[in-house]
Amino acid sequence: DQQVKQNSPSLSVQEGRISILNCDYTNSMFDYFLWYKKYPAEGPTFLISISSIKDKNEDGRFTVFLNKSAKHLSLHIVPSQPGDSAVYFCAATPGAGSYQLTFGKGTKLSVIP
Amino acid sequence: NAGVMQNPRHLVRRRGQEARLRCSPMKGHSHVYWYRQLPEEGLKFMVYLQKENIIDESGMPKERFSAEFPKEGPSILRIQQVVRGDSAAYFCASSPTGYEQYFGPGTRLTVT
Repeated sequence: DQQVKQNSPSLSVQEGRISILNCDYTNSMFDYFLWYKKYPAEGPTFLISISSIKDKNEDGRFTVFLNKSAKHLSLHIVPSQPGDSAVYFCAATPGAGSYQLTFGKGTKLSVIP
Repeated sequence: NAGVMQNPRHLVRRRGQEARLRCSPMKGHSHVYWYRQLPEEGLKFMVYLQKENIIDESGMPKERFSAEFPKEGPSILRIQQVVRGDSAAYFCASSPTGYEQYFGPGTRLTVT
């Protein structure tokens, strides 16, 4: 039972264009969502997060959108750069109490120069 | 401010041996988490600790695995009598609040 799903295993985008990574969740108890970037043989790096009381959060080139009714969130990267090539993980937590993160399986982004 | 530190980075154990993985959280972070990543999978939660307390161990296998976060020193994830299926990357994360978790570089455990 996968509570956080990233249905696209991979995505290729031209440098300078927009990258859109998608994530769906099933657990209504999740109230905080995060995106992480991971390079091979390294730990995940925190990118951006959003609380369930918001529908958008922006940080530089990264914007996360949350659609609670659809249980869907997306990460937009504009403009995409070759250094953005990595695996991106969506994660969610119900918050108060445990804060344990439930991760999707990741989407491998390749930005083509 | 140094990041989350984990050691060793690579650990090779024979079946039946014990594995000890260490994690030093970022300064000022009192929440520590352990996650495991099997090949081709996402990270899976194992355990959440605060100083001297296990808060949530719902992701820990019932046998052979234990974790601690003593008053002084790093957090330790201990795997007794390792089996081949324990081969994975083990990541530690720390947080000042619980929400935003910052990960270490991981320990890659190989059981031969």
